[in-house]
Amino acid sequence: SYEMTQPLSVSVALGQTTSITCGAYNIGIKNVHWYQQKPGQAPVLVIYRNKKRPSGIPDRFSGSNLGHTATLTISGAQVGDEADYYCQVWDISNVVFGAGTKLTVL
Amino acid sequence: QLQLRESGPGQVKASETLSLTCTASGGYIDLGPSYWGWVRQAPGKGLEWIGNSFYSGTTYYNPSLRSRATISVDTSMNEFYLKLASVTAADTAVYYCARHVAAVGGSEQLDSWGQGILVTVSS
Repeated sequence: SYEMTQPLSVSVALGQTTSITCGAYNIGIKNVHWYQQKPGQAPVLVIYRNKKRPSGIPDRFSGSNLGHTATLTISGAQVGDEADYYCQVWDISNVVFGAGTKLTVL
Repeated sequence: QLQLRESGPGQVKASETLSLTCTASGGYIDLGPSYWGWVRQAPGKGLEWIGNSFYSGTTYYNPSLRSRATISVDTSMNEFYLKLASVTAADTAVYYCARHVAAVGGSEQLDSWGQGILVTVSS
């Protein structure tokens, strides 16, 4: 099965920029989607098809996908961005999620 | 704005079948292009995809759950369902229903989610 690697945790100072990576073989040829999940809440789609933002998602969230790494970038991090972030792809008839990254805003 | 809501028993006995319903409002589930599916999250763990179904019957399942999971859609009720047979304590989780955007060969992003329902498997 397709496996994607995310860092367990990432921290960022308030107002600074941070990136969360999702690594896998040739992930660049797939569409990668990103979800934000706050404690006790359902996941929310924040980036789809590598770099598109759903309506209502601030433009502080951006994405890229090239080679073996997809990246979610959060600019001007806010306290409200503290959450778990998951990458996701569709691979051979399966939805596959990364293990998730806990983002801490300091 | 599509809204999804899970319902069903919050507790199931080991070896029995877990049955959940997802009711859609604000949109019709037979208006594509969408698959309708389920994701679960064990306490303190990550997201695990269970499977999805197109309203016409095409289904996809996580290989690790394929032998026990059944997802079906009832367009007349605007609902879709999950049955998970022979449950064990390892199936204790929050279960989410979600719309999967359809694409060539399957689905892509999950753009609408229910609030989730905690199901505990008891011995």
